Amino acid sequence: GENVEQHPSTLSVQEGDSAVIKCTYSDSASNYFPWYKQELGKRPQLIIDIRSNVGEKKDQRIAVTLNKTAKHFSLHITETQPEDSAVYFCAASRGISGQNFVFGPGTRLSVLP
Amino acid sequence: DGGITQSPKYLFRKEGQNVTLSCEQNLNHDAMYWYRQDPGQGLRLIYYSQIVNDFQKGDIAEGYSVSREKKESFPLTVTSAQKNPTAFYLCASSIRGEVQFFGPGTRLTVL
Repeated sequence: GENVEQHPSTLSVQEGDSAVIKCTYSDSASNYFPWYKQELGKRPQLIIDIRSNVGEKKDQRIAVTLNKTAKHFSLHITETQPEDSAVYFCAASRGISGQNFVFGPGTRLSVLP
Repeated sequence: DGGITQSPKYLFRKEGQNVTLSCEQNLNHDAMYWYRQDPGQGLRLIYYSQIVNDFQKGDIAEGYSVSREKKESFPLTVTSAQKNPTAFYLCASSIRGEVQFFGPGTRLTVL
């Protein structure tokens, strides 16, 4: 089955700096890769996703890159703000093929003012 | 997210009791999921269902049971066989196995 690894487990950055979180996956059939943000005590919320036919996707300060050959994808947050502090989860899925999601273990991001 | 509700928000269980967590969605999603989250940990899949009257075990199904009699509803029962049930339980739904929308969660505590 699919296995998703995520690094680093914790990340501290100064406000205004960039943050990068990397995930690797094992199942070459996975074709959908979302990122979720979870604030303390709240539900995870989708912040960006990418499908296997695309190498990069951007949404304002957030971008995701995908390298299918190497089986890794990364989340990039630029100009970080204190409200970006949260736990971020990546996931991999076979999407429409019907396989369930596999989540990474999460990265706790702290943005220091 | 607003289309998925979970109840109750907080639940207290005595040892030996079965309790049922409710999850309802009005998003017309076929697939529904239950996850368990322990403090400082990731999401572990308990059960999932892709269609009505069908469901599959996830990674940590022991001590839990589910039903899927209606498309909108996917209740989770935590049985007395689950020895360490204190956790945050999240329900999610998705369309075509892609974007998952999560409910607000139920925090279960064993007294």
